[in-house]
Amino acid sequence: EAQVTQNPRYLITVTGKKLTVTCSQNMNHEYMSWYRQDPGLGLRQIYYSMNVEVTDKGDVPEGYKVSRKEKRNFPLILESPSPNQTSLYFCASSPLLSGWSTDTQYFGPGTRLTVL
Amino acid sequence: SQQGEEDPQALSIQEGENATMNCSYKTSINNLQWYRQNSGRGLVHLILIRSNEREKHSGRLRVTLDTSKKSSSLLITASRAADTASYFCATDGENDKIIFGKGTRLHILP
Repeated sequence: EAQVTQNPRYLITVTGKKLTVTCSQNMNHEYMSWYRQDPGLGLRQIYYSMNVEVTDKGDVPEGYKVSRKEKRNFPLILESPSPNQTSLYFCASSPLLSGWSTDTQYFGPGTRLTVL
Repeated sequence: SQQGEEDPQALSIQEGENATMNCSYKTSINNLQWYRQNSGRGLVHLILIRSNEREKHSGRLRVTLDTSKKSSSLLITASRAADTASYFCATDGENDKIIFGKGTRLHILP
């Protein structure tokens, strides 16, 4: 089954304790992205990747890191989480079309993170 | 930051009526997509319209795109209770960033 998986689905942690949220897709998509969703703000892009070893900042990259060592995986790293990073996080992937535009994005189920 | 805006923010209609939501954006785009999200769940892709297209249909969905006005509309015909959800537009534009709007909360009344 074609899908995007995220782990963990729920996480409660404390300020400053490094954490990683994993994301994996089995559709051989070039494009992968991380979003956070907060009430009243919709989804905001954190980081995205056009292919292996290529990552770029989205609109709200501060406090986050990503890596793309393999095509299927795109982990989100919070080196020193803070309470303002409490949010619902989504990973998504998409094929890239000619002209480097994305196509339909497939979303993971979400990770609800609480930083105390 | 540049961001699309959906209008209205919330919409309640009777089952069977048509629902129309609008999206405006600020930059030139490659494509515009509409997504649905049921409460707290992941987003489900509904329809993609490319910058050189003006209208697209999929089942009960009709999407229009006016690049001169930088706007799009999503029409859901003959609404059903199961259409109750939040709807987001997303644009793929400059620098390959994806920009989502804040969403329209649609509530279908029985």
